[in-house]
Order: sequence, then C-alpha cells, then structure tokens
Amino acid sequence: SAVISQKPSRDICQRGTSLTIQCQVDSQVTMMFWYRQQPGQSLTLIATANQGSEATYESGFVIDKFPISRPNLTFSTLTVSNMSPEDSSIYLCSGEVGGGETQYFGPGTRLLVL
Amino acid sequence: EDKVVQSPLSLVVHEGDTVTLNCSYEVTNFRSLLWYKQEKKAPTFLFMLTSSGIEKKSGRLSSILDKKELFSILNITATQTGDSAVYLCAVEGSNTGKLIFGQGTTLQVKP
Repeated sequence: SAVISQKPSRDICQRGTSLTIQCQVDSQVTMMFWYRQQPGQSLTLIATANQGSEATYESGFVIDKFPISRPNLTFSTLTVSNMSPEDSSIYLCSGEVGGGETQYFGPGTRLLVL
Repeated sequence: EDKVVQSPLSLVVHEGDTVTLNCSYEVTNFRSLLWYKQEKKAPTFLFMLTSSGIEKKSGRLSSILDKKELFSILNITATQTGDSAVYLCAVEGSNTGKLIFGQGTTLQVKP
C-alpha cells in the first residue's frame, strides 16, 4: 500500500499566526487532495492540489486562507493562514497512489488554535 | 447537490455480534464508492466498489454496492473490540477524484 507522510503530526498555535503542513507521497500522483475534519465531524474537501497549476478550491474555502503549493508530483503543502480557534481540526492529505483509483490518506495533522 | 448519508450514526454491540452499516448516495456521474475505517487520525482503506452486485470480502468484513438503488452496505461478522472505530463511506463522482464523505458510523464493540 501507499506511504503518505505529513508533517507536523500535531501543533498548538496562537491565533493570528500561520502554519504550513507538508505532505509527502512515496510515488508520483497526478492529483493530491487536502481535507479538513473538524471535531466530531466527517471529512470535508478543502481543495485539489494540481502540479503545474493553481489549486482548485471547494465552496467555502479560499486561497488567501488556505494557500496550497504543489511543486512536484510527490509533494504538496497546505498553509492555514491567520488562524482562529475555529481552524482547530485535523488536516489530511490524500492521493490516488499506485496508478489506481483508490485514494489513500496521510496520517493527518492535528491542529489546535488557542 | 451531491450527498452521502450513512446510518446508523452510532452503534453499540457485543463481541461476536454481526453488524450492517448503510450508505446511500446521490452523486452526479458516479465513479466509485469507498469504505474507510478511522480509529485515531487517518482513515484506512477497506474497500472500493464500482460495480453492482459484486461482493468484496476481506476476512470478517464484506461490502456490496447497489447502483440501481444507490446504496452500499458494509457487514462485519463476529465483531471484535478491535473493530471499534468510525466507519466512513465516501463516493467519487464526475471523474474528478474528489471524495464526498458521509457523516460516519461510530461502532463500539463491547467485550
């Protein structure tokens, strides 16, 4: 199965600051995705990170708040900007690894904003 | 609007029981339905279903899809305490790779 890693695994941040989360895949993937899981909730897609083009954001999410980079086919970053306590969530990246259609998830980043 | 609904939202059983988890969906241009198990942070992949009527099986877990009635079930037989988790159903539509998740079913298996 695929190996997807994320850094950091968890962080506690002060409101108004920004945090960049890294996602590394052990093989090339065309599309990578960033999801948010708020406490007690299911996963919600933030954006699709495409290599060589701007990320595609879902309704309710904007680039200024969640800028995404995708410099190559194995790596992506998500920044949570100007954080508030409402941004406290688990942030997960995923990708269809191995050329198949199955989407695998990274271990997640647990963010707490005080 | 694309939608995935799971039921029940929570379930408490005893070891050895059999459980059936339900997932219904309304999605444009259905591509696949996936089941995941989430214990702490990352969802771990269980099954991907694309065709109706073909059961997928892995040990005590099995799943089947009905594309006519737009639902899937996940069965777990002879449940164990290690099966306690949130089970997530997700559907991919429109060939985009994006997954739409249901609310999840929280399963608790008591000794």
